[in-house]
Amino acid sequence: NAGVMQNPRHLVRRRGQEARLRCSPMKGHSHVYWYRQLPEEGLKFMVYLQKENIIDESGMPKERFSAEFPKEGPSILRIQQVVRGDSAAYFCASSPPFGTASTDTQYFGPGTRLTVL
Amino acid sequence: GENVEQHPSTLSVQEGDSAVIKCTYSDSASNYFPWYKQELGKRPQLIIDIRSNVGEKKDQRIAVTLNKTAKHFSLHITETQPEDSAVYFCAAKGLNDYKLSFGAGTTVTVRA
Repeated sequence: NAGVMQNPRHLVRRRGQEARLRCSPMKGHSHVYWYRQLPEEGLKFMVYLQKENIIDESGMPKERFSAEFPKEGPSILRIQQVVRGDSAAYFCASSPPFGTASTDTQYFGPGTRLTVL
Repeated sequence: GENVEQHPSTLSVQEGDSAVIKCTYSDSASNYFPWYKQELGKRPQLIIDIRSNVGEKKDQRIAVTLNKTAKHFSLHITETQPEDSAVYFCAAKGLNDYKLSFGAGTTVTVRA
């Protein structure tokens, strides 16, 4: 049973370019969460999605950032016109569906480390 | 929203000694408290969690205690080993919430 997958693991972009980060949840998981981690800091919630729905995007900047979790394929976190302050590790997590005993438990992927030059 | 504070920020212990990390939370409705271990450049890994209907949980050398009245919870690692060296994060989830609110992390160093 493969864990949460993320790609790419490392991404380098120049200021003004777009960054696309992908996340495939664990098999059987229908909830996806994105978190951002700045160097030597904790993880900050960005967005929570279920298939084809954004449930909570309260932690995501209003501009330049967007997320989706289509019916087929991975969840995508998209950052347009990146700036140096976007440099961070972006982690995706997934959890089992509601109605299961462990629906609270979030399992993390290996992260994408974004560097903006 | 939920605010989680974690102490200490760094902790150095001699191999074989115990390590204790403490966290406080602000939302009295929070009901789920996981602990994650993150090694350098790696993913956060869940090591233990506790729900608000339980006061203590133990898994081999790791234990977590929860005091709902005081709104704090602690991680205890006994008989520490060099491989316990990592950054540890506590987190809390509100009753009607989806996201985890994380503490700032504790860097644990186990000296051989």
